[in-house]
Formats: sequence, C-alpha cells, structure tokens
Amino acid sequence: GQNIDQPTEMTATEGAIVQINCTYQTSGFNGLFWYQQHAGEAPTFLSYNVLDGLEEKGRFSSFLSRSKGYSYLLLKELQMKDSASYLCAVRQRGSARQLTFGSGTQLTVLP
Amino acid sequence: EPEVTQTPSHQVTQMGQEVILRCVPISNHLYFYWYRQILGQKVEFLVSFYNNEISEKSEIFDDQFSVERPDGSNFTLKIRSTKLEDSAMYFCASTRGREDRELFFGEGSRLTVL
Repeated sequence: GQNIDQPTEMTATEGAIVQINCTYQTSGFNGLFWYQQHAGEAPTFLSYNVLDGLEEKGRFSSFLSRSKGYSYLLLKELQMKDSASYLCAVRQRGSARQLTFGSGTQLTVLP
Repeated sequence: EPEVTQTPSHQVTQMGQEVILRCVPISNHLYFYWYRQILGQKVEFLVSFYNNEISEKSEIFDDQFSVERPDGSNFTLKIRSTKLEDSAMYFCASTRGREDRELFFGEGSRLTVL
C-alpha cells in the first residue's frame, strides 16, 4: 500500500515564503506530483518530480528526495489567491490508477 | 486549450435512484479515470479505463458502479442504486499516455444523495 503524510493546515503572510512538506511510503515509486485545489474546484497541476532535486516554475518550486521519501513545495511571494489546498500525490510503477493523493494542506494567506 | 468537460455540474437525487455522470475527455487522450472527493476528505481513485476496458479499480468501485465509453467521445460513470455515502464530488480525468506528467481533471460533478 501507500502512505502519504502532509500537514493539515498552514498559515502565512502575503509576500512571504512558505514550504509545504510531504512524506510518502510506496513501493515502485514513479513520480511525485503537487496539485492546487481551490474550494469546490478541480485539482490543477503544479509540479512533477521523478528524480532527486529541485524543479522551479515561476513562484513555485518542488523538491524531491527519493531516499528519504520526502518532497516539499515552496511558494514564494505569496499572494492572497494562493490560499487553497495543496495536494501531494504519488504515482506507483505498474499501477493503472495514476495517482494516490494525500489529504492535502490547507494554506491560508493573510494580508 | 483543450479540456475535460463534465455534466451535470450538480445533481441531487433520492437514495436508491440511478445516476449517470458524463465526461468528455480531451480528444486525443487514451486513458480515462474517475476519482471522487467526499467533502473535506482526500481525492480518492475509483477506476481507470483504457482500450474499452477497466484497467484497475479501487475497493470503493463495487458492483453498484460501472463505467462505459458508449461512443468515441463520452466516458460515463453509473451508480446503480445511490446511497447517502455516495454524496461527493466526482472528477473525471484523462491522459494521452500512461506515464504523462499531468493528469487533466474536469471541473467535477457534485452528487448529493438525499
């Protein structure tokens, strides 16, 4: 089976930097994904890591350490619209189900 | 930009009734999925579909559920006899290849069972 852990809630201030951590346990790891989900909406793709290291995309970066089963999503220059749930998800090799999601981290950005 | 479309956006039904949720995946995609999200809970995998058959299904996807691709564009999820606990947001998703970087989600269909 798979197990994905991430904090339930985080709060940060507009303009600041926030790091959302995710730890996972899975066999046949085949990629880690971060999605953003606003309330009542569909998840939208943010980033994908399959090799160790940092992937940067504008204000968002994602890091992966496969040996530690650890990833983080870094959000810089926070904006009010970044208030959302951030979902960590893992893909398992040989599985046709695509992604297994964590419970999500609800980020609140304060003015 | 191509997108996955779902109908209806919201459906209210009585317990025991049949419900069909419809999805039109992106036109050149080959792999199709249904996920659900009960309010306040995590996104959960239901079923994956490729080459006109189910590739994998979760323990949630019991005999009350079925999927179909009746024509070249639609991908449907049927719940035969709805239960209160089926109330959730149902997301359809698609990819072109099995190892694609991005899973494209539709906007979801909210099902409320009374």
